[in-house]
Amino acid sequence: DQQVKQNSPSLSVQEGRISILNCDYTNSMFDYFLWYKKYPAEGPTFLISISSIKDKNEDGRFTVFLNKSAKHLSLHIVPSQPGDSAVYFCAANPSNDYKLSFGAGTTVTVRA
Amino acid sequence: GAGVSQSPRYKVAKRGQDVALRCDPISGHVSLFWYQQALGQGPEFLTYFQNEAQLDKSGLPSDRFFAERPEGSVSTLKIQRTQQEDSAVYLCASTNSGTGIYEQYFGPGTRLTVT
Repeated sequence: DQQVKQNSPSLSVQEGRISILNCDYTNSMFDYFLWYKKYPAEGPTFLISISSIKDKNEDGRFTVFLNKSAKHLSLHIVPSQPGDSAVYFCAANPSNDYKLSFGAGTTVTVRA
Repeated sequence: GAGVSQSPRYKVAKRGQDVALRCDPISGHVSLFWYQQALGQGPEFLTYFQNEAQLDKSGLPSDRFFAERPEGSVSTLKIQRTQQEDSAVYLCASTNSGTGIYEQYFGPGTRLTVT
């Protein structure tokens, strides 16, 4: 049972424009959410996180938005750069639980 | 090195062979995790260690899978009598949080192909 879903397997965006990646979850016990970025032949790298007590967290070009009532979060990358081309995974865990549940990932391609 | 390292990076095994995958976490990290990532999917939790104690092995798919971390640092994931469905990337992650609920740092993974 997939508790974290990324329904868009791929996204293509022009350099300089905004990339918006979406993630939905079903487990209402999730209260910590993370985005990871993965290049080929490398492990996932932590990008940004958000706690359920917030609805927005910003770090440079990356902003994560959380809508708890809709069980939805999104990652905005502005402006998109060629180095952002990678697979992005959404992940979540409940409070006091170490297990991360991951989505299937979205492959972002930034076109020059 | 400063990051999580894993070896070997690639492993080809004939069906029925045993394999051992090694993980060197970031020095001092208390918590260590193993994940299995099938092609086109996200990582799936296998097992969790806090120091040398294996606190959760609920994600191990069968009793052919065994993990250990005897001295609370290096960990080994062993798969006995490998099957084709075991083909995947095996990721190790560590964190210095004792509760393990914060961001985990991943190694590059071991890609296992069972022929």
